[in-house]
Amino acid sequence: GAGVSQTPSNKVTEKGKYVELRCDPISGHTALYWYRQSLGQGPEFLIYFQGTGAADDSGLPNDRFFAVRPEGSVSTLKIQRTERGDSAVYLCASSRSGRGDTQYFGPGTRLTVL
Amino acid sequence: EDKVVQSPLSLVVHEGDTVTLNCSYEVTNFRSLLWYKQEKKAPTFLFMLTSSGIEKKSGRLSSILDKKELFSILNITATQTGDSAVYLCAVGMNYGGATNKLIFGTGTLLAVQP
Repeated sequence: GAGVSQTPSNKVTEKGKYVELRCDPISGHTALYWYRQSLGQGPEFLIYFQGTGAADDSGLPNDRFFAVRPEGSVSTLKIQRTERGDSAVYLCASSRSGRGDTQYFGPGTRLTVL
Repeated sequence: EDKVVQSPLSLVVHEGDTVTLNCSYEVTNFRSLLWYKQEKKAPTFLFMLTSSGIEKKSGRLSSILDKKELFSILNITATQTGDSAVYLCAVGMNYGGATNKLIFGTGTLLAVQP
């Protein structure tokens, strides 16, 4: 595709519910990243995929957060038992190879947990 | 602990002014420094810098890196209202491909008044 796309653009859910956020990277990009951005802060790294495998998941805050990329393209970030503190914009980025090349970001999903 | 610090946190200027945004960093295994512009949700790539003293330029924007003093600046000349945005600085780490995460600063909020 022309750029990174993310769906939904906005998601409102209730505390305790399960949510899935989807990312479609730029076609041909093997590396994919998830970041979380809280109000007034810079994006914070969550997880990095190289192909289908998670090469670095050190940024996932706890075991309620999980991400997959089964075919090496689309990725889904899954959050179980959501908490109000999970409210943030979740940004996805992709890069051509993951070897220090430029990361291009999608428009994000704004998650609000009531 | 790896960190990226941006200053000022916010800035208000008038159209036609020149602005300089600052970014300092303390990270292990530095690979690159990147600047992004964030207007709504998606950070838009501006520059990637890897070598000291080489200015990168794109229209009215320019940036330079000093790897000895561990900082970078982003200059915008003849500012326009369309330059109003949050400018994010990020540092890419070099762990031989084991990760490619970016560490972001909190950003500088630039407001250009007509």
